[in-house]
Amino acid sequence: QVQLQQSGPGLVKPSQTLSLTCAISGDSVSSNSAAWTWIRQSPSRGLEWLGRTYYRSRWYNDYAVSVRSRIIFNPDTAKNQFSLQLNSVTSEDTAVYYCARSTGSARMWYYDLWGRGALVTVSS
Amino acid sequence: DIQMTQSPSSLSASVGDRVTITCRASQSIGNCLSWYQQKPGKVPDLLIYAASSLQSGVPSRFSGSGSGTDFTLTISSLQPEDFATYFCLQSHSTPHTFGGGTKVEIK
Repeated sequence: QVQLQQSGPGLVKPSQTLSLTCAISGDSVSSNSAAWTWIRQSPSRGLEWLGRTYYRSRWYNDYAVSVRSRIIFNPDTAKNQFSLQLNSVTSEDTAVYYCARSTGSARMWYYDLWGRGALVTVSS
Repeated sequence: DIQMTQSPSSLSASVGDRVTITCRASQSIGNCLSWYQQKPGKVPDLLIYAASSLQSGVPSRFSGSGSGTDFTLTISSLQPEDFATYFCLQSHSTPHTFGGGTKVEIK
């Protein structure tokens, strides 16, 4: 059974770095038919796609423009996981963060597997 | 970014009702649209992909249609377990963008 297991702190201080990890079981972070994505959800912003990492002979990362200057994704093939680092956080980054697998190709992608979600609060 | 406008934002319906939710894209996205159901405190669950393909395990009372800019999710006969919030998502271009959601409540 394919699962995504999220981990990371639930409280981050303003201006610091938010770090989350998503461990994959039953699939591979290097899969040629999947992309590994971070999505967040808050009452004020709804569901917001943050970006994805995927492997097609080499690694690709796509980031949302809204966070591009302060976000990094790191796929880890040895541990079969991927991580999110979001720098210089503010209260606007308080949200439930989901990792998810998208399946598909070209422009047709759909999100068929989600982590359980992690509430991250930015507060001093 | 492609904007996804979903309507209505909420609706009240009774068990057995036919429910229709629409999503409009700010530009043509072909059939690169999927629909999700989310219950309170739970993870979004894929219902429909490629605008009209039913995800494995999803009841056949759910159906999707549309292409280009206008899309519809239909629940043919609303069941008690269908009271939830529904979202559309376009994957034609990055960033992938979600609709604002439709909350289906019990009348």
